[in-house]
Amino acid sequence: EAGVAQSPRYKIIEKRQSVAFWCNPISGHATLYWYQQILGQGPKLLIQFQNNGVVDDSQLPKDRFSAERLKGVDSTLKIQPAKLEDSAVYLCASSLRTGSHEQYFGPGTRLTVT
Amino acid sequence: AQKITQTQPGMFVQEKEAVTLDCTYDTSDQSYGLFWYKQPSSGEMIFLIYQGSYDEQNATEGRYSLNFQKARKSANLVISASQLGDSAMYFCAMREGLNAGGTSYGKLTFGQGTILTVHP
Repeated sequence: EAGVAQSPRYKIIEKRQSVAFWCNPISGHATLYWYQQILGQGPKLLIQFQNNGVVDDSQLPKDRFSAERLKGVDSTLKIQPAKLEDSAVYLCASSLRTGSHEQYFGPGTRLTVT
Repeated sequence: AQKITQTQPGMFVQEKEAVTLDCTYDTSDQSYGLFWYKQPSSGEMIFLIYQGSYDEQNATEGRYSLNFQKARKSANLVISASQLGDSAMYFCAMREGLNAGGTSYGKLTFGQGTILTVHP
């Protein structure tokens, strides 16, 4: 089966610009996660969707970050405006359901903000 | 307080030897899950092994085993017969807030990671 797809793989922008990342989870997976991984740290959950509803966005900086999963399948994560500290790898993951043990991760998008 | 602590920034092991990666956790929940993930230089996170807090037996998956000591709140990963391809970053993670049915809305919290280098 196809894995979690993410695009783009790399993005370089200047601060105050906007950027969007796309994720397509494994077919049939109801739960989708966006994580931020800053260099040298473990991933941190930004937002979790169950189908097209938000389950947890407590660590999402809502003044600049937004995410949607309108049809309960693919998802976009947007940053507007970007700051230098947003430089990180943004990982998308999916699981069959919220309680599933396994989360399957995509290859990530490496964002550099200059 | 850190929920997940990995005290070894880096570990070295000789090929074919066993290695233990340490992980301690902090939670007041009775029901929780512990995970180990591998992240090679390509960046993708690969699920390795899972241990539920109520599981009586230590989890095993091929060359991976989880040494779960609940009273000490530790969940160390043991890799037997190390291979060169095991060189990667390893993350311990915890999911809290599991309900009795095993489903959860608790988020996954990761540690800082341990870089494992396997020497030939």
